[in-house]
Amino acid sequence: KAGVTQTPRYLIKTRGQQVTLSCSPISGHRSVSWYQQTPGQGLQFLFEYFSETQRNKGNFPGRFSGRQFSNSRSEMNVSTLELGDSALYLCASSLDVHLAGWNTGELFFGEGSRLTVL
Amino acid sequence: AQSVTQLDSHVSVSEGTPVLLRCNYSSSYSPSLFWYVQHPNKGLQLLLKYTSAATLVKGINGFEAEFKKSETSFHLTKPSAHMSDAAEYFCVVIGGSQGNLIFGKGTKLSVKP
Repeated sequence: KAGVTQTPRYLIKTRGQQVTLSCSPISGHRSVSWYQQTPGQGLQFLFEYFSETQRNKGNFPGRFSGRQFSNSRSEMNVSTLELGDSALYLCASSLDVHLAGWNTGELFFGEGSRLTVL
Repeated sequence: AQSVTQLDSHVSVSEGTPVLLRCNYSSSYSPSLFWYVQHPNKGLQLLLKYTSAATLVKGINGFEAEFKKSETSFHLTKPSAHMSDAAEYFCVVIGGSQGNLIFGKGTKLSVKP
């Protein structure tokens, strides 16, 4: 079974540009969540999608957005890039998030997209 | 609010010696706790989880963790370190109104030959 696939793996952008990152979850997984990982702040939750609906959102500015398609693939977009947006962006998928109304916590992560903003 | 604190940012052990990675949690109710591992340039992988069943939880690759409510701790241990254990380890709690994962700052484990 293929794992979570994130593209692109590495990218370099300049300040003010925008970027779109893609995530293909494990087949059959309907939940996709996104995390930002930086040396200073660690792993921070961005948002989670389940069946094309955003179910949860972290504390990030509106420049960060995402969506999920009917095949469960997800994209996240960052507009008007800032130097501080340089990070590893991790996508995770899950089969049973919100099972019985609660997150089971068993996430399968991709290898991430490393964004460098110059 | 739920949170986790990993007490060591870096732990160094020799191959074949025990590993102890410390994590304290804060939760207003019985928490769900996890340990994830991240090898260099890789995504995170679930090591083990605690969800209020047995307090001693066994995970993959010989790791285990013990939930101690009285100490609000969930320390990760392994009897004998292997070179392949060198990685960063994250203690995680489910928190927030919708139950998103809250990660600790991570502990980088180095294993010396």
